[in-house]
Amino acid sequence: DAMVIQNPRYQVTQFGKPVTLSCSQTLNHNVMYWYQQKSSQAPKLLFHYYDKDFNNEADTPDNFQSRRPNTSFCFLDIRSPGLGDAAMYLCATSRGGSSYPLNTEAFFGQGTRLTVV
Amino acid sequence: GESVGLHLPTLSVQEGDNSIINCAYSNSASDYFIWYKQESGKGPQFIIDIRSNMDKRQGQRVTVLLNKTVKHLSLQIAATQPGDSAVYFCAENVDLTGANSKLTFGKGITLSVRP
Repeated sequence: DAMVIQNPRYQVTQFGKPVTLSCSQTLNHNVMYWYQQKSSQAPKLLFHYYDKDFNNEADTPDNFQSRRPNTSFCFLDIRSPGLGDAAMYLCATSRGGSSYPLNTEAFFGQGTRLTVV
Repeated sequence: GESVGLHLPTLSVQEGDNSIINCAYSNSASDYFIWYKQESGKGPQFIIDIRSNMDKRQGQRVTVLLNKTVKHLSLQIAATQPGDSAVYFCAENVDLTGANSKLTFGKGITLSVRP
């Protein structure tokens, strides 16, 4: 069974129309990550939560926001999608903490492919 | 539209040969390193990891080597198979305050296995 689930797998949105991508996990992990991956590039970390603590990357545009209402769910909100925001968005989780290796391995969802028209 | 990205470098190997994929990492404070394999249209899949206090770790057909002096990581795949064809990324984990940490990815390499 999938442990990190992203919905939907494919999302088409209009230029400037707010869109929300969702991620859920059954692992009860403390850490949830959101990455943006464009074609032929490495995943780029947008932000992550350690429990309820939100950690934003310095170069993540304000257009991207996130919510984590509980341990299991995390949302990526794109307030005004531009054509440059078309990408694969990956969610990942890890247990968190400093005890190697159990707490640091990250598990990824299958991603949501966002198209902006 | 989507900005044009750089094409990933490609390593082409003959089936049955050994593959070596290299990665340079940036943060000397990184304490944990992971190799991921990503197939088209899928999320990254864990291959093998190594802690910063180690210099070598072996898996079933894979070995990871870590050289902290030059901040270099490599993945060796023995007897490469067609199913190994994918994009490979190294990732580094950096401890933040308390128990918080974050995982960032290096540039990927496309492995292409010739039959």
